[in-house]
Amino acid sequence: DQQVKQNSPSLSVQEGRISILNCDYTNSMFDYFLWYKKYPAEGPTFLISISSIKDKNEDGRFTVFLNKSAKHLSLHIVPSQPGDSAVYFCAASEGGGTSYGKLTFGQGTILTVHP
Amino acid sequence: SAVISQKPSRDICQRGTSLTIQCQVDSQVTMMFWYRQQPGQSLTLIATANQGSEATYESGFVIDKFPISRPNLTFSTLTVSNMSPEDSSIYLCSVVLLGQGFDEQFFGPGTRLTVL
Repeated sequence: DQQVKQNSPSLSVQEGRISILNCDYTNSMFDYFLWYKKYPAEGPTFLISISSIKDKNEDGRFTVFLNKSAKHLSLHIVPSQPGDSAVYFCAASEGGGTSYGKLTFGQGTILTVHP
Repeated sequence: SAVISQKPSRDICQRGTSLTIQCQVDSQVTMMFWYRQQPGQSLTLIATANQGSEATYESGFVIDKFPISRPNLTFSTLTVSNMSPEDSSIYLCSVVLLGQGFDEQFFGPGTRLTVL
């Protein structure tokens, strides 16, 4: 039972354009959501998060949007840069971010940004 | 931030053998975890490594198959026992640093295991 789904295995965009990565979840108890970025031969690194009490969180070029009614979140990268090319994982947890470590991950989306 | 090292970085093992993976952190941590990423799949939490006591396993994972030790705050091992080709995965440890929040979870580089 895949509770967090990233339905696009890959995404290709041009440098300078917007990248939009999508994530859907089924567990209505999830109330904290995170995005991680992973380069080859490295572990995932935390990128940005959002609590369910918000619908948007922004950090520089990265913005995460949450639509609770649709159980959907998205990560926007503007403008996209070649160095953003990586695998992006969506993750979710229960307990408002206090349930340390119990993250449920999506399958990941491979983002390629072309110069 | 934290520097997390894992040994070995990769290994190729024969069916029926066991492999122990080490995770070392250069900072004081509160929580340590072990994840598995099977080919083409998402990361799945195996267990929480508890200092000085038995690990807490997630559904579908058992101590006999994945014994875990955590003798101190900065070190943990995961053993993959009696391996089969289905155990071929990337195994990652992750930590939450002392005094930092949930979203500061750091991951190690992973151990790529291939079972023949």
